[in-house]
Amino acid sequence: ETGVTQTPRHLVMGMTNKKSLKCEQHLGHNAMYWYKQSAKKPLELMFVYNFKEQTENNSVPSRFSPECPNSSHLFLHLHTLQPEDSALYLCASSQVGGEETQYFGPGTRLLVL
Amino acid sequence: AQKITQTQPGMFVQEKEAVTLDCTYDTSDQSYGLFWYKQPSSGEMIFLIYQGSYDEQNATEGRYSLNFQKARKSANLVISASQLGDSAMYFCAMRESYGGSQGNLIFGKGTKLSVKP
Repeated sequence: ETGVTQTPRHLVMGMTNKKSLKCEQHLGHNAMYWYKQSAKKPLELMFVYNFKEQTENNSVPSRFSPECPNSSHLFLHLHTLQPEDSALYLCASSQVGGEETQYFGPGTRLLVL
Repeated sequence: AQKITQTQPGMFVQEKEAVTLDCTYDTSDQSYGLFWYKQPSSGEMIFLIYQGSYDEQNATEGRYSLNFQKARKSANLVISASQLGDSAMYFCAMRESYGGSQGNLIFGKGTKLSVKP
């Protein structure tokens, strides 16, 4: 068990829906990340939060809205998505300083119709 | 230019044999970290092994070892005694301390390993 959980594991939504992805880490880490993994593409970093503050927004469209209420929880709010947003969304956490190994959750497979 | 290059899109290995997955990297930093992750078909990225740029010895974790050749900028993963459960995608990643990635992980495109019984 990696100590990072994600819900839901699978999500199907229409382009006009609003949904949220949730990530929770039980490792006592102080940094959390959202990644997007599309078919046949390298993992793409979307957002980074250090100590609850957003430190990176990797040119992500505004239809993706992150929220980090505390160092253990991370949300990704989705609205008016496009079919090309269908992908595996992975959350990760790490401890800033030292090796900073990132530990990942199981991911949410998103399908936008 | 790619920061992390994995030249083997797919690899086959016989069960119980050893296999080497290639990874080369590009950085001008002196301080950096190299990681390998395994991703089964379920999707979860599982951390396998870490090598720091200043570590003089190659990292080992059970059946996994990292063949670190700093001058050649390569960080190959060696899996000994392959098991059927090793069939998965394997990703090499780098974290630079001061480079353009701002301390974030950069991933390669991955290698799909298939273990044959």
